[in-house]
Amino acid sequence: ELKVEQNPLFLSMQEGKNYTIYCNYSTTSDRLYWYRQDPGKSLESLFVLLSNGAVKQEGRLMASLDTKARLSTLHITAAVHDLSATYFCALEDGGTSYGKLTFGQGTILTVHP
Amino acid sequence: NAGVTQTPKFQVLKTGQSMTLQCAQDMNHEYMSWYRQDPGMGLRLIHYSVGAGITDQGEVPNGYNVSRSTTEDFPLRLLSAAPSQTSVYFCASSPGIYNSPLHFGNGTRLTVT
Repeated sequence: ELKVEQNPLFLSMQEGKNYTIYCNYSTTSDRLYWYRQDPGKSLESLFVLLSNGAVKQEGRLMASLDTKARLSTLHITAAVHDLSATYFCALEDGGTSYGKLTFGQGTILTVHP
Repeated sequence: NAGVTQTPKFQVLKTGQSMTLQCAQDMNHEYMSWYRQDPGMGLRLIHYSVGAGITDQGEVPNGYNVSRSTTEDFPLRLLSAAPSQTSVYFCASSPGIYNSPLHFGNGTRLTVT
């Protein structure tokens, strides 16, 4: 059974600070996703990571994947209030199992002035 | 394009009632899925479809039925609602392309009293 664990589950940051969210998973997988969710809203795709060593960056967010360690990280640089949201990592079963995701519990990020 | 459309947005049911959550996508995606979101548990897969006429169970299928008579529609039926089914339900679709994320609908918030 594929398990995905995120930590921390709650993260309170000051604006301007850096921090990392960790996503550990239990079995090998082809594809790892990061999503953002604002309160009461749907999920917005941030990154798709497909191979070992993959690194993607968008603005103040950078995601990486280490398939050997079964670990993905989402690094936040110089946080701003607009980044306050819940962040999920999710793994897809692999092969042709498109859309069958196993999600982490989510990390609730709050950025304070 | 409308993307993935879910109706209704909100619903209150009494225990034992039945209802259908509607999901439609206009992107010609073969893969569709239903998830439920509960606090602290991330999203969990309920049912899944790889194309018209083909469905499969996810992690938490009990109490839910699905069918896929067309590519566009993937309704989720609650046969006899229970308070444990109080949740936010998301429908999602995927084009089945290796590096493409899931597209999520806006969700249905269901309360069972």
